[in-house]
Amino acid sequence: SAVISQKPSRDICQRGTSLTIQCQVDSQVTMMFWYRQQPGQSLTLIATANQGSEATYESGFVIDKFPISRPNLTFSTLTVSNMSPEDSSIYLCSVVGETQYFGPGTRLLVL
Amino acid sequence: TQLLEQSPQFLSIQEGENLTVYCNSSSVFSSLQWYRQEPGEGPVLLVTVVTGGEVKKLKRLTFQFGDARKDSSLHITAAQPGDTGLYLCAGASGYSTLTFGKGTMLLVSP
Repeated sequence: SAVISQKPSRDICQRGTSLTIQCQVDSQVTMMFWYRQQPGQSLTLIATANQGSEATYESGFVIDKFPISRPNLTFSTLTVSNMSPEDSSIYLCSVVGETQYFGPGTRLLVL
Repeated sequence: TQLLEQSPQFLSIQEGENLTVYCNSSSVFSSLQWYRQEPGEGPVLLVTVVTGGEVKKLKRLTFQFGDARKDSSLHITAAQPGDTGLYLCAGASGYSTLTFGKGTMLLVSP
């Protein structure tokens, strides 16, 4: 199994600012995934983060808005840039091992 | 675009009652997964069903994959307050990423 931690667990931010979310895994993994879970909506994949290469973004998500870093095989960050209230959501980090594992999420409220 | 429709969206029941949650799609999936997500936590995998018509049991939870691999159901017998949470279904198709439903929020009151 994989144990995933995320920081911060929650935050309240002002419109126009940026927030960087950290994801730490207790084992080395090739791919890490970032999801968004908006109220009343399904989990939506934002991007796949591979170590040593550019992240792969899903349709509707762009690097300028959601830059991702993947400096090593156990760590990744997702930045939510120039935030608006529509970015209020839970952001989840995930990895695939024997099954798919999710972090506890970062609850973001943008005012 | 593959879509998974879950119903009901919200269910509030008393302890001891039975319930069924549905997950439907017009698309065929190679496998379907059910997750439970508790407040403040990420989703945790409950089961994966792969074969059409497959039935899997996990204590009081029974999962069924439709014969055509387009739909699935989760039945909980004698629900307990500890079953409270958001139940998510997610379909896998080939090498594409998982498609998640919107979830069913279950509240079991003592």
